[in-house]
Amino acid sequence: KAGVTQTPRYLIKTRGQQVTLSCSPISGHRSVSWYQQTPGQGLQFLFEYFSETQRNKGNFPGRFSGRQFSNSRSEMNVSTLELGDSALYLCASSFVTYKSGYTFGSGTRLTVV
Amino acid sequence: GEDVEQSLFLSVREGDSSVINCTYTDSSSTYLYWYKQEPGAGLQLLTYIFSNMDMKQDQRLTVLLNKKDKHLSLRIADTQTGDSAIYFCADRGIGAGNMLTFGGGTRLMVKP
Repeated sequence: KAGVTQTPRYLIKTRGQQVTLSCSPISGHRSVSWYQQTPGQGLQFLFEYFSETQRNKGNFPGRFSGRQFSNSRSEMNVSTLELGDSALYLCASSFVTYKSGYTFGSGTRLTVV
Repeated sequence: GEDVEQSLFLSVREGDSSVINCTYTDSSSTYLYWYKQEPGAGLQLLTYIFSNMDMKQDQRLTVLLNKKDKHLSLRIADTQTGDSAIYFCADRGIGAGNMLTFGGGTRLMVKP
């Protein structure tokens, strides 16, 4: 069974640009969550999508947005990139929303220069 | 907001037991999770415990939950060098959807 796939694995962008990251959940998983991991702030929740609807949102500026498609694949977008957006962005998917935990992808390492 | 705290670092000798501790503030926690992260990788779910349980054992892993003190621990028996990684505890509260609140992670170093 394929795991959670995140693309690309690495990305270098310039300040002011925008970026789109992609996440393909495990087949049958309808919930997709996104987290940002930085050395200073640790793991912080960005948002969660379930059946194409945003169900929960973390405390991030509006520059961070996401969406989910009918096949449960999800994208997150960051506009007007800042140096502080450099981070590992992790996507997690789950089937049963709480019992089985959340399976994480390997992440996308975003560097903003 | 809710908070989850972990000690930063733990060093043990190969073959010893490791105990990683975590405290949380959310009284409505439903499930608590332990994840492992190796360098350059995502998070691997190790185990989880439901909030009405005291203990859960899974091969070399034992999770203890003291709900009164809001204290969670992960014991790794017969620790191996391959267990060297960062370990995160995470809390899911009622009404949190699928949002997890993570601790800062404990770096476990296993010396041969």
